[in-house]
Amino acid sequence: DQQVKQNSPSLSVQEGRISILNCDYTNSMFDYFLWYKKYPAEGPTFLISISSIKDKNEDGRFTVFLNKSAKHLSLHIVPSQPGDSAVYFCAAAGSARQLTFGSGTQLTVLP
Amino acid sequence: DTGVSQDPRHKITKRGQNVTFRCDPISEHNRLYWYRQTLGQGPEFLTYFQNEAQLEKSRLLSDRFSAERPKGSFSTLEIQRTEQGDSAMYLCASSFLLGQGHGYTFGSGTRLTVV
Repeated sequence: DQQVKQNSPSLSVQEGRISILNCDYTNSMFDYFLWYKKYPAEGPTFLISISSIKDKNEDGRFTVFLNKSAKHLSLHIVPSQPGDSAVYFCAAAGSARQLTFGSGTQLTVLP
Repeated sequence: DTGVSQDPRHKITKRGQNVTFRCDPISEHNRLYWYRQTLGQGPEFLTYFQNEAQLEKSRLLSDRFSAERPKGSFSTLEIQRTEQGDSAMYLCASSFLLGQGHGYTFGSGTRLTVV
C-alpha cells in the first residue's frame, strides 16, 4: 500500500516556464511534508518543506502548496532552469518522524 | 564537516557473502536513518537510531540485516548471506530536528550489486 504517490513518472517543461510536480498521500496522520531533489549517483537533497498547519511555503523559485482536505501537495518551480532537471521526490512524516517517500518524478527542463 | 559520508560508494559481492557498510553522520545530528532505494522507486525506510539506541526497524529489515551505532556516532549496516534481491542503493541520513523547515541530510549512498 503506497501511502505517498507521485503519479507522473516524468515531466518536461521549457526553460523559463513553470514546473508543477504533484503528490498525493493517504495517511491522515502525516503532518510534515518535504520535497527532495536527486541527481544521478547522489543522495537526495532537501529542497523545501511544509507543516500541516500551513497551506503554502515559499523559498525563492520554489513554492510548496498543501491541500489537506484533498491530501495533495504540489511543488511549483518558477522560472524553471535547465539545472533543475533531476528526479523530485515528495516525502511525508508523522509523529514517528520517519519519512515515507513517493516514487519520484523525473523533471526535464528544456533549453 | 562536509555532510553525511558513506563508505564504500560501490560494492559488488557474490551471493551468499556478507557485506558491511559504514555511515558517518553530521557530527551534531543525534538521529541516524538507513533507507534502501531500488530502481524506479523512492527510498524505503529500514531503521532509525537516536543516539546509540535503535528505536525502530522496518519489516523490510530481515534477520539477515543488522545495524549498529556504537557510542551514537558512526553507524554500520551489515547484510549476511546476501541475495540478488538485496541489490539496491543503501542510503544513510542524519538529522537533529525534523520539522520547522528542516529535513534529513542524506549521504551519497552505497550501491550494492549481488551477483
